[in-house]
Amino acid sequence: GESVGLHLPTLSVQEGDNSIINCAYSNSASDYFIWYKQESGKGPQFIIDIRSNMDKRQGQRVTVLLNKTVKHLSLQIAATQPGDSAVYFCAERPGGSQGNLIFGKGTKLSVKP
Amino acid sequence: EPEVTQTPSHQVTQMGQEVILRCVPISNHLYFYWYRQILGQKVEFLVSFYNNEISEKSEIFDDQFSVERPDGSNFTLKIRSTKLEDSAMYFCASEETEAEAFFGQGTRLTVV
Repeated sequence: GESVGLHLPTLSVQEGDNSIINCAYSNSASDYFIWYKQESGKGPQFIIDIRSNMDKRQGQRVTVLLNKTVKHLSLQIAATQPGDSAVYFCAERPGGSQGNLIFGKGTKLSVKP
Repeated sequence: EPEVTQTPSHQVTQMGQEVILRCVPISNHLYFYWYRQILGQKVEFLVSFYNNEISEKSEIFDDQFSVERPDGSNFTLKIRSTKLEDSAMYFCASEETEAEAFFGQGTRLTVV
């Protein structure tokens, strides 16, 4: 069935290090992917998105990589800061740029000072 | 910066009671969504709404649920007869055409 899942439920990194959060998806028809950050008690906050015609997209301190061959998505955070501590979700849109989002289970990122 | 606002932030209700969760989407957005998140689990899609009608709904969105956009600014989710398993965070989201969805802060619904 359609599902988006994450390889690791928790990730602990040292402040200043780079973080890599991974995600696997199963719907090969999905052509739009998003990473969200969720801080405690708040709603998901958009970080970065990527369409299936790309394999890499960069934002401010964040990079998303898409490997369609193995249906894998990753989020790289450069120079991780304490404020990056949160749960990170990947999500896919099977219908393209509109339609509902299918979220993965989330990875909790903890940044040690 | 424009934001999606939800009220109340926390709602406690007795099993079997009706609840209405309210959302004010970003004013120029056209697509509206409700999602829920049971504690410790992933965010799940409930329903999408466009052009004053439901465009898509999940299996969770059964006859106990309904949505409405009563006045052009508010977007509500009604649960007619709440069950214990309806306890969750409910998120409203809105978006323009071909842009990312903006989420509200959520309403924590506790059914006792």
